[in-house]
Amino acid sequence: TQLLEQSPQFLSIQEGENLTVYCNSSSVFSSLQWYRQEPGEGPVLLVTVVTGGEVKKLKRLTFQFGDARKDSSLHITAAQPGDTGLYLCAAYYSGNTPLVFGKGTRLSVIA
Amino acid sequence: NAGVTQTPKFQVLKTGQSMTLQCAQDMNHNSMYWYRQDPGMGLRLIYYSASEGTTDKGEVPNGYNVSRLNKREFSLRLESAAPSQTSVYFCASSEAWRTGWGFGSGTRLTVV
Repeated sequence: TQLLEQSPQFLSIQEGENLTVYCNSSSVFSSLQWYRQEPGEGPVLLVTVVTGGEVKKLKRLTFQFGDARKDSSLHITAAQPGDTGLYLCAAYYSGNTPLVFGKGTRLSVIA
Repeated sequence: NAGVTQTPKFQVLKTGQSMTLQCAQDMNHNSMYWYRQDPGMGLRLIYYSASEGTTDKGEVPNGYNVSRLNKREFSLRLESAAPSQTSVYFCASSEAWRTGWGFGSGTRLTVV
């Protein structure tokens, strides 16, 4: 059974600060997705990373896929209250198994 | 473009009652999924359908059944609801295993 662990579980920061959220796997994964979920809504896909060492940027969000394909990180620069939400990583391993989700990091950005 | 539509949005059931959660997608996706989300547990896969005509168990299938009615629709049935099934249920669909994932807005189910 693959395990996907996210840290930290909770994060509360002031507007303008930087932060990094981590996602670590017990096994090598083929690709990894990052989602953001707001209260009362379903997860919304932010990015998919597929190549070891890959870095993708989405405005103030930077996503990195570890070289060993067992970890990923999400870095937010100059956080804003609109970044508040639950951030989920989800990995696709191989074969006929759907995405496995981490438990998420709940981010609160205070104005 | 509605994406993935789930009904109902909220439901309260008594222990032992049955109900069906409906899900429809308009993105012509092959694969569809049902997840449940509980505090501190993340999203856990209940059942999935890789393509029309096939269904498979996920991580937590006990107490649930599914039907892939056609390419667009995938329903989740609780035959005899239990308090442990109180949760938020999400339907999702994908173009392929890795790509084009979309989620519905969820059904909040309470079993009393």
